[in-house]
Amino acid sequence: QKEVEQNSGPLSVPEGAIASLNCTYSDRGSQSFFWYRQYSGKSPELIMFIYSNGDKEDGRFTAQLNKASQYVSLLIRDSQPSDSATYLCALNWGAQKLVFGQGTRLTINP
Amino acid sequence: DTGVSQDPRHKITKRGQNVTFRCDPISEHNRLYWYRQTLGQGPEFLTYFQNEAQLEKSRLLSDRFSAERPKGSFSTLEIQRTEQGDSAMYLCASSFSTENYGYTFGSGTRLTVV
Repeated sequence: QKEVEQNSGPLSVPEGAIASLNCTYSDRGSQSFFWYRQYSGKSPELIMFIYSNGDKEDGRFTAQLNKASQYVSLLIRDSQPSDSATYLCALNWGAQKLVFGQGTRLTINP
Repeated sequence: DTGVSQDPRHKITKRGQNVTFRCDPISEHNRLYWYRQTLGQGPEFLTYFQNEAQLEKSRLLSDRFSAERPKGSFSTLEIQRTEQGDSAMYLCASSFSTENYGYTFGSGTRLTVV
């Protein structure tokens, strides 16, 4: 049973629009949630983390967490072609190992 | 210190050969993680160390895989008698045990078994 579920995509969004990436998880005990971006052939890089219910904003990125619905999302405003990548959702319990979803491939069309 | 360093970047080996990868974490980080990633999938946990102690190994890690971190600094991951199914990107990451701000990943080692 997968612990972290993401739609593999591809998700295609026009340049300048809002890209919305979603992730659901099965363990209600999960405490911390992370979004990583991975360009083709490169390693993952951390974009944001969120611990509390609600929204957390960082520049063009907003992470949203709803623990009751076991749902975490990432919004990218004013999408740019350079945002085209695979976005990985991950979670852990306390400071234990991260468990990753399969990733969503995002393409921003100029 | 510029981040997590992995060596080699690419490795092509024949089936049945042994391979060894090295990871140098960020120097202040006491935790070191190994993950494996295949095409179209997210990183899959293999094992992790806190200082020199190996605290957890995935059940997916067969006996052909072994990892060490002898002095709590760099780590090695060895795969014995490689199989074609071992072809993947092997990722190393490091972090502080007392913080939970995510990992810093290295560039990875891409293994191809022919």
